[in-house]
Amino acid sequence: EDQVTQSPEALRLQEGESSSLNCSYTVSGLRGLFWYRQDPGKGPEFLFTLYSAGEEKEKERLKATLTKKESFLHITAPKPEDSATYLCAGVTDSWGKLQFGAGTQVVVTP
Amino acid sequence: DAGITQSPRHKVTETGTPVTLRCHQTENHRYMYWYRQDPGHGLRLIHYSYGVKDTDKGEVSDGYSVSRSKTEDFLLTLESATSSQTSVYFCAISWARGNQPQHFGDGTRLSIL
Repeated sequence: EDQVTQSPEALRLQEGESSSLNCSYTVSGLRGLFWYRQDPGKGPEFLFTLYSAGEEKEKERLKATLTKKESFLHITAPKPEDSATYLCAGVTDSWGKLQFGAGTQVVVTP
Repeated sequence: DAGITQSPRHKVTETGTPVTLRCHQTENHRYMYWYRQDPGHGLRLIHYSYGVKDTDKGEVSDGYSVSRSKTEDFLLTLESATSSQTSVYFCAISWARGNQPQHFGDGTRLSIL
């Protein structure tokens, strides 16, 4: 059964304190791994797509990496505006159906 | 931001009543999706569409139906709402199927009493 698991469920960081979020998956024939950011009361906002093991993508203080079994979202020197829930999702078939993890809620305090 | 509008944004209704949620896009994307988001479950796919009048079921389709008569509109209907359908509903669009990212609307918060 396809499954995507994110850890930790919640993360509290001091401003400037770098950390990593984990997304492990058991999706057979993974066609892509997406990272999204979700703010309260809003829909998920697309961040990155990773297609193959070893691939890395960066955007400002965020860097996403992919191995054969998991993906990491590294947050470097976070700021309070990086506070959000971060979601990962695996593409499970050719129709683009996504299997989402439950998310990691990140709070960055000044 | 992707041009996706969901309506209504909030709705409170009673068990047994029909409810229709609307997703309207201005991007002319072929693929559209309906998800529900519940605490501890993440986002789960309800139905999706790969063109006008072409739809299929997702992971949690029981109790829901959809229709797409125009490229820009994708409707989600709860024929007889139940309390277990209280959730936040998100619409997403994609210009291609497969491994292209989906872009989401801001959701409809639905409460069924």
